[in-house]
This record gives sequence, C-alpha cells and structure tokens, in this order.
Amino acid sequence: GAVVSQHPSWVICKSGTSVKIECRSLDFQATTMFWYRQFPKQSLMLMATSNEGSKATYEQGVEKDKFLINHASLTLSTLTVTSAHPEDSSFYICSAPYRGGFTDTQYFGPGTRLTVL
Amino acid sequence: AQKITQTQPGMFVQEKEAVTLDCTYDTSDPSYGLFWYKQPSSGEMIFLIYQGSYDQQNATEGRYSLNFQKARKSANLVISASQLGDSAMYFCAMRDRGPGYQLTFGKGTKLSVIP
Repeated sequence: GAVVSQHPSWVICKSGTSVKIECRSLDFQATTMFWYRQFPKQSLMLMATSNEGSKATYEQGVEKDKFLINHASLTLSTLTVTSAHPEDSSFYICSAPYRGGFTDTQYFGPGTRLTVL
Repeated sequence: AQKITQTQPGMFVQEKEAVTLDCTYDTSDPSYGLFWYKQPSSGEMIFLIYQGSYDQQNATEGRYSLNFQKARKSANLVISASQLGDSAMYFCAMRDRGPGYQLTFGKGTKLSVIP
C-alpha cells in the first residue's frame, strides 16, 4: 500500500509554545489530506481537511486559529498547534487518499503523540 | 448525516478460531464505501479491507472478509484463523459523497486473541 509518514512521532512541549507536525505522502501525490485527533480509548475525530493550494476546511468546533493547517505541496501538509495547553495533549494522525476518485483508500501516517506540560 | 455503529466494545477469541466484528451504518446516499482499519497499540491505522456499495460480491483480503448485507446496512468483518498479532482495536468507517470524501469512524472494537 501507499506510504504516509508523520514527523515527529512524539513531542513534549511546555504550555504556551507552538508545535508543528508534518504529514508527507511518500510515493504518491495528495491534493487532499485529513487531520484527525484521537483521545485515549476513543475513536478518531476529524479535525480538518487540508487542501493543496487553498484554505483548509475545519470541522465544527475546531478552532482555526489554534490548529493552523498548511498544504504547501502535493506531498506535504503541516498542522501547527499554536499556544498549546495541556488539554491539547492527544494523538494526532493524518491520512491521504490514494489513487484518486471516490473509492480512494485512505492511508494513514503513524501518528504523533503530543504531550503539553 | 451518516453514522457508523460498532456495538462490541471488546471481543475475545481463541487463537486459530474465526471471529466476527459487527458494524452497522446509516446513510441516505446510495453510493458509499465501507472500510475496516486495524489499530495496534502503536497507534498506526492499518487499512484492511474495502467494500463499495455497488459491489456485487463480498470483499476478501487474505484472512479478512467482509460480510456485506446491504438491506440490513451491515458490514461485518470476519477474521479467520486468528493470530496473536490480531489483538488490536478495529474500526469500521464509511465514506459517502459528502464534501471532501472524508471518513466517519465507528467507536471501535478491541479484539483480544487468547493463546
């Protein structure tokens, strides 16, 4: 299957700092990528849809100014958690559809575990 | 709005036995896709199998098969000959023709394989 990478795999930061997470499609191009958040023992919750060359589409209840998304190229999307607080501690995971069209299989990155102290 | 229901928070299965993980869905769109993903403790989401709403036959991928009953709106995952490495969370997901083609996930089922 297609490969999606994420960096870093884990990060610990102090409250008030910003953290950038990268999501890359390694062997295919992705005009769209998705960012999810997962709390312990819960399911994935879609945060936003990242669109190459245009603004991201955020789900209801997700703060646009806090979770900045940039999709600068066909293989890279970044999520920046600004002024992070302990409640932002979570597992963040990205995905990208492969092969284009409705029946795309979405491949996921390995995830980033964020801990805010 | 689409919805995915997984009613089994946890399941146990003996090694080498088969197990069925339940998934029901609700959508008004006649065109949709159903996916199963495995999430081991490491956190990565591993794609297992896909079923399209217009597919005539049930999908199969190695030891994984999808029991698709369209009229009942169910898409159960069947794992044959369970292995210890199958212990993980399993998520059912659906995509319809909503904007962005994003996935909606069920709450998951934690499968534990007993030696």
